[in-house]
Amino acid sequence: GESVGLHLPTLSVQEGDNSIINCAYSNSASDYFIWYKQESGKGPQFIIDIRSNMDKRQGQRVTVLLNKTVKHLSLQIAATQPGDSAVYFCAENKGYSTLTFGKGTMLLVSP
Amino acid sequence: DGGITQSPKYLFRKEGQNVTLSCEQNLNHDAMYWYRQDPGQGLRLIYYSQIVNDFQKGDIAEGYSVSREKKESFPLTVTSAQKNPTAFYLCASSMVAEKGYGYTFGSGTRLTVV
Repeated sequence: GESVGLHLPTLSVQEGDNSIINCAYSNSASDYFIWYKQESGKGPQFIIDIRSNMDKRQGQRVTVLLNKTVKHLSLQIAATQPGDSAVYFCAENKGYSTLTFGKGTMLLVSP
Repeated sequence: DGGITQSPKYLFRKEGQNVTLSCEQNLNHDAMYWYRQDPGQGLRLIYYSQIVNDFQKGDIAEGYSVSREKKESFPLTVTSAQKNPTAFYLCASSMVAEKGYGYTFGSGTRLTVV
């Protein structure tokens, strides 16, 4: 496949470790946030979302934390697997109907 | 199965040519979007449409045009005015045009100028 991003921040972990991917968002008017996973040469896939009236939301093996005070979003992946290797994007709505995406973080999982 | 389909997967354009990228969805989504992805730059919004026969410019609309004649379809034309069109193009749709809903993405079209 082809790379979706060069010179991205990269997080390298061992299989079985927990991964934490961070994102700083820009707009205090944002009230909806979402994490996407993108594998090489493919379109982004929804992972989990959170609204601004929440601080934490859990899915299957994933947790999103929202800190509105410092405008920070994080994605935690438990027991990371090689299939989790991908580029992860956060997105915010900035109070509008469209989403604005961050530049992404590449997660590399070693067996 | 419901989904969003982009075609072709790969597209080559000669200098000075217009090319059209197809995007079709059968999710009954109201809103559709086009994003451009370049290495290291994330996704940038080109155009979006919240309803049939209406669309708005995004952050990088220059050199692109769209139409929304049917709810299911939102084709993107890359015109010769777009000076650096080589990129990965992603189409997306969402249930409603209101804020607070995530997108479903297509699998993308990689456009290369030759």
